[in-house]
Amino acid sequence: NAGVMQNPRHLVRRRGQEARLRCSPMKGHSHVYWYRQLPEEGLKFMVYLQKENIIDESGMPKERFSAEFPKEGPSILRIQQVVRGDSAAYFCASSPRRYEKLFFGSGTQLSVL
Amino acid sequence: GQQLNQSPQSMFIQEGEDVSMNCTSSSIFNTWLWYKQDPGEGPVLLIALYKAGELTSNGRLTAQFGITRKDSFLNISASIPSDVGIYFCAGLEPNFGNEKLTFGTGTRLTIIP
Repeated sequence: NAGVMQNPRHLVRRRGQEARLRCSPMKGHSHVYWYRQLPEEGLKFMVYLQKENIIDESGMPKERFSAEFPKEGPSILRIQQVVRGDSAAYFCASSPRRYEKLFFGSGTQLSVL
Repeated sequence: GQQLNQSPQSMFIQEGEDVSMNCTSSSIFNTWLWYKQDPGEGPVLLIALYKAGELTSNGRLTAQFGITRKDSFLNISASIPSDVGIYFCAGLEPNFGNEKLTFGTGTRLTIIP
């Protein structure tokens, strides 16, 4: 029973490029959450999705960031025109029901040069 | 936004010692979760608490949901080297339809040889 799968583990982008981060939830989980973590800090909520719907995007910057969780396939966090300040670890979590025992993936470390 | 104060920020202990850490909030939570994060990995769920006063164990780990619903405690008995890492508390606000899982700032546990 595979856990939450995130890829890539490491992503290097130059300023102005696009970053696409993928997350496949645990089997049977239809709720997906994205968090961002800076070094030596806790996790900051970005967005909560349930299949094909964005439930809460209050933690996501209004510009350049978007997320989706299509009917088929993984959830995608997309960052357009990346800047150095976007460098961070991005974690995805999934749960079987709304906010019940979130299980996290290993994260994607985004580095913007 | 919701504030979660986690203490201590860091702990330096010897192998075999017991460990205690806590998390306090400025308002009420209806769920507390405790996670451990190893370097370069995502947080791993240790214990989930759902009722005020609840005391739950997972091996050498014991966590309690405070009676006031504004705090939670995690204890580790007879620490071993693999306990090294960062421990995060996370609390879920009782705001049906608009919940958010807020993370504390973490307690970094180091074992001194």
